[in-house]
Amino acid sequence: GAGVSQTPSNKVTEKGKYVELRCDPISGHTALYWYRQSLGQGPEFLIYFQGTGAADDSGLPNDRFFAVRPEGSVSTLKIQRTERGDSAVYLCASSYQESTEAFFGQGTRLTVV
Amino acid sequence: GENVEQHPSTLSVQEGDSAVIKCTYSDSASNYFPWYKQELGKGPQLIIDIRSNVGEKKDQRIAVTLNKTAKHFSLHITETQPEDSAVYFCAAQFTGGSQGNLIFGKGTKLSVKP
Repeated sequence: GAGVSQTPSNKVTEKGKYVELRCDPISGHTALYWYRQSLGQGPEFLIYFQGTGAADDSGLPNDRFFAVRPEGSVSTLKIQRTERGDSAVYLCASSYQESTEAFFGQGTRLTVV
Repeated sequence: GENVEQHPSTLSVQEGDSAVIKCTYSDSASNYFPWYKQELGKGPQLIIDIRSNVGEKKDQRIAVTLNKTAKHFSLHITETQPEDSAVYFCAAQFTGGSQGNLIFGKGTKLSVKP
């Protein structure tokens, strides 16, 4: 497909477990963003990649959250020692360059029980 | 820090009426203002955007206006249809330097009654 793809679409995990969320951006897009959306709220910025490097990770809430983009395409958001408060929809977006339109994926709904 | 305020939080209109959603932003350096539509269970979809060198932009039934002095921008939907019902988010971004993240408002739930 031509859009941003996120897998899995849903993830249920137990408190304390480790999870990985994957994002496949639109081909050729150099900028990639991760956002977190809680129920009834707007997306909240987590981290932004330009190519392989994290240009801005100021939105990551604590050191349990980490993201990588080793080849400048696919990105993985990693959450260690999950807590119930981590439950949310995690959205990924990509854009051709930093200053152009960002297109979002469908999101991964994470539920920590 | 940067902040985007969005009003109203809910909006109900009759089919055919117009709907207006307003946002204000705090960072005067912001220069890109997109609007997203989000349907239940889906990711946000870009519907229109405006850059700071333009005061107004229109695309069919949708228009956006920007007042840089007042740091306001608004979404206008004319001749609303039931399929316009969704949650709408405004956002602001400073596209210079190393910062590239969008700051979103809290959303407006629009309901269009047939």
